[in-house]
Amino acid sequence: GENVEQHPSTLSVQEGDSAVIKCTYSDSASNYFPWYKQELGKRPQLIIDIRSNVGEKKDQRIAVTLNKTAKHFSLHITETQPEDSAVYFCAAPLYNFNKFYFGSGTKLNVKP
Amino acid sequence: EAGVTQFPSHSVIEKGQTVTLRCDPISGHDNLYWYRRVMGKEIKFLLHFVKESKQDESGMPNNRFLAERTGGTYSTLKVQPAELEDSGVYFCASSQVKVAGELFFGEGSRLTVL
Repeated sequence: GENVEQHPSTLSVQEGDSAVIKCTYSDSASNYFPWYKQELGKRPQLIIDIRSNVGEKKDQRIAVTLNKTAKHFSLHITETQPEDSAVYFCAAPLYNFNKFYFGSGTKLNVKP
Repeated sequence: EAGVTQFPSHSVIEKGQTVTLRCDPISGHDNLYWYRRVMGKEIKFLLHFVKESKQDESGMPNNRFLAERTGGTYSTLKVQPAELEDSGVYFCASSQVKVAGELFFGEGSRLTVL
């Protein structure tokens, strides 16, 4: 099956700084890579995703980059704000598309 | 539109007891998934329904876990008898698309087995 590794497990940044979270995956057939954000006590929600036909996707302060050759993808958050504090999960599907493997999560703390 | 709802939000039971978790997916979503997160670890796949059929149940830990989705609407996940290692947060998610796409999660059911 797919093996997804996520680093770091915790990340603390000062408000206004950038944050980067990295994930690697093992199944070269995977072609869709979402990122979910889970605020304390709330449900995980999709914040950005990328398909394998592009190398980068941006949405305001967040961006995802994908390196298919190296089988890794990263979440970039610029100009961090306290409301960015949450646990972030990356995921990759197995080849049959309907089964997602998640990373172990990164707890991001943005200090005001 | 109502999101994915799960009940109960938190359940505390003793080892050997039975617990049933319920998930109501978004109306019209054929795909329903159960996941579990043990503290500090990944969100781990348990099983996947397409309508009322089990598409993939390879993540179910053992035969103490039973999932059903009668009529292709809501789903239940029963743990009987519960063991200490079953503690964690059980997430339900649903989706409409047949290929890889957004999962809509519920808020989870936290299970504590004492």
